[in-house]
Amino acid sequence: ETGVTQTPRHLVMGMTNKKSLKCEQHLGHNAMYWYKQSAKKPLELMFVYNFKEQTENNSVPSRFSPECPNSSHLFLHLHTLQPEDSALYLCASSQAEPWRGGPDTQYFGPGTRLTVL
Amino acid sequence: AQSVTQLDSHVSVSEGTPVLLRCNYSSSYSPSLFWYVQHPNKGLQLLLKYTSAATLVKGINGFEAEFKKSETSFHLTKPSAHMSDAAEYFCVVRGPRSSGSARQLTFGSGTQLTVLP
Repeated sequence: ETGVTQTPRHLVMGMTNKKSLKCEQHLGHNAMYWYKQSAKKPLELMFVYNFKEQTENNSVPSRFSPECPNSSHLFLHLHTLQPEDSALYLCASSQAEPWRGGPDTQYFGPGTRLTVL
Repeated sequence: AQSVTQLDSHVSVSEGTPVLLRCNYSSSYSPSLFWYVQHPNKGLQLLLKYTSAATLVKGINGFEAEFKKSETSFHLTKPSAHMSDAAEYFCVVRGPRSSGSARQLTFGSGTQLTVLP
């Protein structure tokens, strides 16, 4: 068990729906990440939060909206998605110590399998 | 910038025979390298990591990898494959230290390992 949980595990939604993905880490980490894993493509980093502040946004469309209310929770709000957004969305966390460069191995949750109809 | 290339998209071995999954990296600095494994419908699990200590790294489940700077390689090996090793394996290089930001991971495209009885 990695200590990172994601809900729901599966989600089917229409293009006009609004839904949210939730990630929670129980590892005491202070950095959290959203990744997208599409078929036959490498994992794509979407967002990085460091000490609750967004530090990376890899040109993700605005129909994906992240939220990090505290260091343990990360959400991905979904709105008017497209069928090509269907993928496995993975959350990860790490102990980032940017000013001391400490170890920050990322630990992954099981993912949410999203299907957009 | 860093990149990682997994030389085989599919590898098939018989149970009890050795496993070799190949990975080459490109980095303009001394890299940190990882191997992750993903079983069907599961998240990514860290197998092992290299962070400029010993060049031969031992991981979980009998896997190990050797960092070879001269060859820019970080191949994953296991002496004897088990049926439970069937999964997708990702070679990963970690981005450079960036003040105020957690470091990013760059994933290879993955190698699907099949273990035949």
